[in-house]
Amino acid sequence: SQQGEEDPQALSIQEGENATMNCSYKTSINNLQWYRQNSGRGLVHLILIRSNEREKHSGRLRVTLDTSKKSSSLLITASRAADTASYFCACSNDYKLSFGAGTTVTVRA
Amino acid sequence: NAGVTQTPKFQVLKTGQSMTLQCAQDMNHNSMYWYRQDPGMGLRLIYYSASEGTTDKGEVPNGYNVSRLNKREFSLRLESAAPSQTSVYFCATTGANALTGNTIYFGEGSWLTVV
Repeated sequence: SQQGEEDPQALSIQEGENATMNCSYKTSINNLQWYRQNSGRGLVHLILIRSNEREKHSGRLRVTLDTSKKSSSLLITASRAADTASYFCACSNDYKLSFGAGTTVTVRA
Repeated sequence: NAGVTQTPKFQVLKTGQSMTLQCAQDMNHNSMYWYRQDPGMGLRLIYYSASEGTTDKGEVPNGYNVSRLNKREFSLRLESAAPSQTSVYFCATTGANALTGNTIYFGEGSWLTVV
């Protein structure tokens, strides 16, 4: 079964708005990663947050991790049309990464 | 530097046929993975290889076999394809293992249709 589950399944926003998506997981993790997938392409790593970290930033991306609630969030600020993609969280507790079903984000121009 | 290269990109098979998906990486990574991606299901791990010479089952290994030919190459074989194996297959690699938090690098995917 999948470790990470993203919410919402789909998100449509206007260019310039912020996009927030959440990830919940079931068991303890060593780290949680967020990936992005453009249509018809492979996944690309965005950001990793370790279990002892609470917040991390990378450009317009902000990731939080709450291990007590077993949840993480990804915030994309000032969205652009090029941010249109599917976003996946991936949880790691050993050699394997377990992925959720993803959040599809559409940014309208 | 190509990263992770998968072949073929597209393939149509008849039920019962066999085929092998090839994956090669030039990143000198130890660990390699095969995932399948189905609509609404995310990525599910089929098999992985933590290092050269070792392979282990993932979440959905039935109907598949793998070979870690050397450090660079990790192939996925469908011995007798079934329509349920219609999917997009991704090979991936990481420098150590997910425990250390190294980024996983994905290939561009192989679209397989079984009719």
